[in-house]
Amino acid sequence: DQQVKQNSPSLSVQEGRISILNCDYTNSMFDYFLWYKKYPAEGPTFLISISSIKDKNEDGRFTVFLNKSAKHLSLHIVPSQPGDSAVYFCAASFFGNEKLTFGTGTRLTIIP
Amino acid sequence: EAEVAQSPRYKITEKSQAVAFWCDPISGHATLYWYRQILGQGPELLVQFQDESVVDDSQLPKDRFSAERLKGVDSTLKIQPAELGDSAMYLCASSPESYEQYFGPGTRLTVT
Repeated sequence: DQQVKQNSPSLSVQEGRISILNCDYTNSMFDYFLWYKKYPAEGPTFLISISSIKDKNEDGRFTVFLNKSAKHLSLHIVPSQPGDSAVYFCAASFFGNEKLTFGTGTRLTIIP
Repeated sequence: EAEVAQSPRYKITEKSQAVAFWCDPISGHATLYWYRQILGQGPELLVQFQDESVVDDSQLPKDRFSAERLKGVDSTLKIQPAELGDSAMYLCASSPESYEQYFGPGTRLTVT
């Protein structure tokens, strides 16, 4: 039972444009969401997070949006840069339990 | 910047052999996690430690996998005997009592 889903295995975006990565979840108990970025042969690196009491969190070029009613979150990267090419995982957790449930990942390729 | 250390980075072993992975978390991080990431999937939690105690090992195949964190600092994950299906990336992460987890570079295991 995949509780966190990333339905797009890959995405290609032109440099300078906006990249939008999507994530859906099924467990309504989740109340904290994170995005991780992973380069080949490296471990995932924390990127940005959002609590369920918010619907938006912004950090530089990265913004995460949360739609609780739709159980959907998205990561926006503006403008996209070649160094953003990586696999992006969304992850979810719930209060009192630090265990993260990860999605299957989306491979983002930025085209110069 | 402090990092999670893991060794070895790569390991090739024959099925039915024993294999062990080591992780040294970021100093001061009480919580340590071992994940397994199969190609094309997201990381899946195997075991979670709080100091030297196991908090969650519900997804650890206990007939062949064992994990310990004897002094509440570094940790070892062992597989005995290894099976072909164990080929994966084994990731260690630590966190300072927050949802944000910091990952090591991982150990890529190939079982032949």
